Amino acid sequence: QKEVEQNSGPLSVPEGAIASLNCTYSDRGSQSFFWYRQYSGKSPELIMFIYSNGDKEDGRFTAQLNKASQYVSLLIRDSQPSDSATYLCSAGWTNAGKSTFGDGTTLTVKP
Amino acid sequence: NAGVTQTPKFQVLKTGQSMTLQCAQDMNHNSMYWYRQDPGMGLRLIYYSASEGTTDKGEVPNGYNVSRLNKREFSLRLESAAPSQTSVYFCASSVGTGGIYEQYFGPGTRLTVT
Repeated sequence: QKEVEQNSGPLSVPEGAIASLNCTYSDRGSQSFFWYRQYSGKSPELIMFIYSNGDKEDGRFTAQLNKASQYVSLLIRDSQPSDSATYLCSAGWTNAGKSTFGDGTTLTVKP
Repeated sequence: NAGVTQTPKFQVLKTGQSMTLQCAQDMNHNSMYWYRQDPGMGLRLIYYSASEGTTDKGEVPNGYNVSRLNKREFSLRLESAAPSQTSVYFCASSVGTGGIYEQYFGPGTRLTVT
């Protein structure tokens, strides 16, 4: 079992809809969680991170963390075609720089 | 600021050849990383350096060596390339602000081993 698992995808949503991306992790020692966006042929770029249970909002993006269920999600509201990319979930440890990445979920937003 | 830079951008090697991938960052970050990404897969950590002079193996270190030359530069060496090392290689750096390590990635090196 991979340490970080993501929806197998691909995920397709119409423009303006909410896209929901999910991630589970197996190491209960993981303390910080990151969502990266990767456009085809490009390098990953950080969207947001979360380390406390609950929701964290940044513009159209909301990260949700449930440590009891070992579950992290990313909601993208009012999805745009420019959101079409692969989204990588990562789990890390406070005061330790290493983190583990999932295989990513590819999102397509159709106009 | 250039952020994280990597050279070369593309490389084709024959089996058994050696090469060094270069990475530099100008953000004064302590931590640096080398990942590989195979098609349709996430990032797998090859080596990690928490600070100048220290390195640590990641998930897939076999066939690779690294050098943390100074705080800015972290190089990855393939001593005897194999077709299984065909991949995209990303270097990243981070600073642990409040224990949270946000990583910043370079543009990648696309390596083909024939």
